[in-house]
Amino acid sequence: DVQLVESGGGLVQPGRSLRLSCAASGFTFDDYAMHWVRQAPGKGLEWVSGISWNSDSIGFADSVKGRFTISRDNAKNSLYLQMSSLRPEDTALYYCVKDTYMIVGATQLDHWGQGTLVTVSS
Amino acid sequence: SFVLTQAPSVSVAPGKTARITCGGNNIGTKSVHWYQQRPGQAPVVVIDYNSDRPSERFSGSNSGNTATLTISRVEVGDEADYYCQVWDINSDQLVFGTGTRVTVL
Repeated sequence: DVQLVESGGGLVQPGRSLRLSCAASGFTFDDYAMHWVRQAPGKGLEWVSGISWNSDSIGFADSVKGRFTISRDNAKNSLYLQMSSLRPEDTALYYCVKDTYMIVGATQLDHWGQGTLVTVSS
Repeated sequence: SFVLTQAPSVSVAPGKTARITCGGNNIGTKSVHWYQQRPGQAPVVVIDYNSDRPSERFSGSNSGNTATLTISRVEVGDEADYYCQVWDINSDQLVFGTGTRVTVL
């Protein structure tokens, strides 16, 4: 079974940085694009970033462009989100999500982790 | 950026049919995906285009400026938030709809 386990969330002050990790198992990790999707408390889903199977294609939401970096280590079956210059509006549950396809763009999100909570507050 | 608009809520009786719409400019030219999120849970895709076992009760249609998710023979377990999603090639970004809460009366 596909498993996606996020870690690295927590309470962080505005302006600071945080790195999220996602450990993937149960599928051939380097055959698929991966994404981060977030959900602020009581709000809807917001795509944050996506990365193709070979890291050649990467995309970001306007709200995080220039502040967040996405990366993957196919040898370790892991996905990462480096978040810097964090703002209170970045407070959300961050989901690691598997794409149905190898490339970013055809995208269907077929498996989701349970999420890791990031709270940005002083 | 591309905007997807959904009605905030839909109410339906058990056994009846629920229709959830997702509006966007020329959305009929895009591939639309639908997700169900039950309270306290992570979202799941409700129509998996990669599956060899199509859903018996969930179906989708898409034309013009509106995509529709139809839930047939609604069950209490279908009570959830539903989100549509597309990939916007102009901005190279994934876009979610605003979400529709389905309440089973």
